[in-house]
Amino acid sequence: GAVVSQHPSWVICKSGTSVKIECRSLDFQATTMFWYRQFPKQSLMLMATSNEGSKATYEQGVEKDKFLINHASLTLSTLTVTSAHPEDSSFYICSAEEPGQFYGYTFGSGTRLTVV
Amino acid sequence: GENVEQHPSTLSVQEGDSAVIKCTYSDSASNYFPWYKQELGKGPQLIIDIRSNVGEKKDQRIAVTLNKTAKHFSLHITETQPEDSAVYFCAACPAPRGFQKLVFGTGTRLLVSP
Repeated sequence: GAVVSQHPSWVICKSGTSVKIECRSLDFQATTMFWYRQFPKQSLMLMATSNEGSKATYEQGVEKDKFLINHASLTLSTLTVTSAHPEDSSFYICSAEEPGQFYGYTFGSGTRLTVV
Repeated sequence: GENVEQHPSTLSVQEGDSAVIKCTYSDSASNYFPWYKQELGKGPQLIIDIRSNVGEKKDQRIAVTLNKTAKHFSLHITETQPEDSAVYFCAACPAPRGFQKLVFGTGTRLLVSP
């Protein structure tokens, strides 16, 4: 089946620094990828929809200048948390939509970000 | 927009018992309803899904039922095993074209005791 690889699985960074998270579709081309954020014991909240070759679409309340999304190829989308602060600590998960598959959403394994 | 409610938030059962998790949705245009299992520190894994033209779907010990009129769908796990312990999320999604968004329920923490 479709596989989405997400790296790193966990990262610790200092306040004020930036962190990049990668999401790759390994065996299919994904024109659309989604980025979610999940706080402990809470549900997944969609942050943005990433489209290959165009600007990402951000959900209401998500700061696009803080959470930079780049979808430069059909197999890679990146999320960069800029000037990270402790309140940005969370579990970030990507998913990719497999073209031609109705509702073919596959999720990555997530990235635990801790900002100290 | 779509709103998905999920109950219960926690569910404890004995091994071998059945577990039922229920979700309701608000948007009648939604026509795809997946269920995900999320283990600690991992991403969600699809365990079963159902589309609005079907009332029930079964895969071994797991089944999902859908009542479009009442706008609710349920996950049924029979003969539960300790490895079924995880957080389960329901979701709803509108029509199939375009990059449609999944709207997730709040999750159910299932604990299966040996």
